[in-house]
Amino acid sequence: QQPVQSPQAVILREGEDAVINCSSSKALYSVHWYRQKHGEAPVFLMILLKGGEQKGHEKISASFNEKKQQSSLYLTASQLSYSGTYFCGTVRTSGAGSYQLTFGKGTKLSVIP
Amino acid sequence: EAGVAQSPRYKIIEKRQSVAFWCNPISGHATLYWYQQILGQGPKLLIQFQNNGVVDDSQLPKDRFSAERLKGVDSTLKIQPAKLEDSAVYLCASSSSGWTDTQYFGPGTRLTVL
Repeated sequence: QQPVQSPQAVILREGEDAVINCSSSKALYSVHWYRQKHGEAPVFLMILLKGGEQKGHEKISASFNEKKQQSSLYLTASQLSYSGTYFCGTVRTSGAGSYQLTFGKGTKLSVIP
Repeated sequence: EAGVAQSPRYKIIEKRQSVAFWCNPISGHATLYWYQQILGQGPKLLIQFQNNGVVDDSQLPKDRFSAERLKGVDSTLKIQPAKLEDSAVYLCASSSSGWTDTQYFGPGTRLTVL
C-alpha cells in the first residue's frame, strides 16, 4: 500500500526550513528517503530502521515514529541544490516472507534565491 | 566505483512490439531491482533479485513482462507485447544486500510506446 506524502509541493527561499511527512496505514520495517532531480535517477538520502537506528545524509535529518507509522524529513537552511522531488519509500513484509518497498507520490521542493 | 549501468537510455516502439532493457549493477551487489516510474509518480517495484533468484515479483505483469538475472550479475527486463500504458522510465537499482542498505539507481531507460 502506497505511503502518503505531504505536502505535495513546497516553495522555499534559500535559508528557510522545510518538513516533509510520510505516513502509512501498515506496520513498517523501515523508511527510505530519496531525492530525484528532473530527468535524473533517484539519489539516496537516508534510511530509518525499526528500532530507532538512523543512517543518512549529513545535512538533512529525519525521524521515524514506528507506533504512528510516520516519518518526517527535515531540511534546514535550504540551499538551491535541495530543489527536486523527494520520495519516501516504506518497507514492510509482503506476506510471502520477503520485504517490499513502496514509494509515495513525492513532494516537489523548489528553492528560490 | 562504477555506478549502475543501463541501456538503452531511450527507446521508442509501437504498441504490440517487444523491447528489452539491460542492467549491470554495481560490482559485488547481490540485490538487483527493476522499477517502473510513470511521469509524475514514484518508482514502482516490478521485481527484486537476490543473486540470480527472484525474491519478489508480485507486481510484475507476468503476461507481458519477464526478467532474468543470469549468473547473478547482469539483468534484462523484457516487455512483449508492449502497450501504450507501458510508457515510463524503467529504473534498475542495486544494493549490497537487502532492505537495510542503500539502493543505487541507474540512469534509467525512457520508453515511449506509440
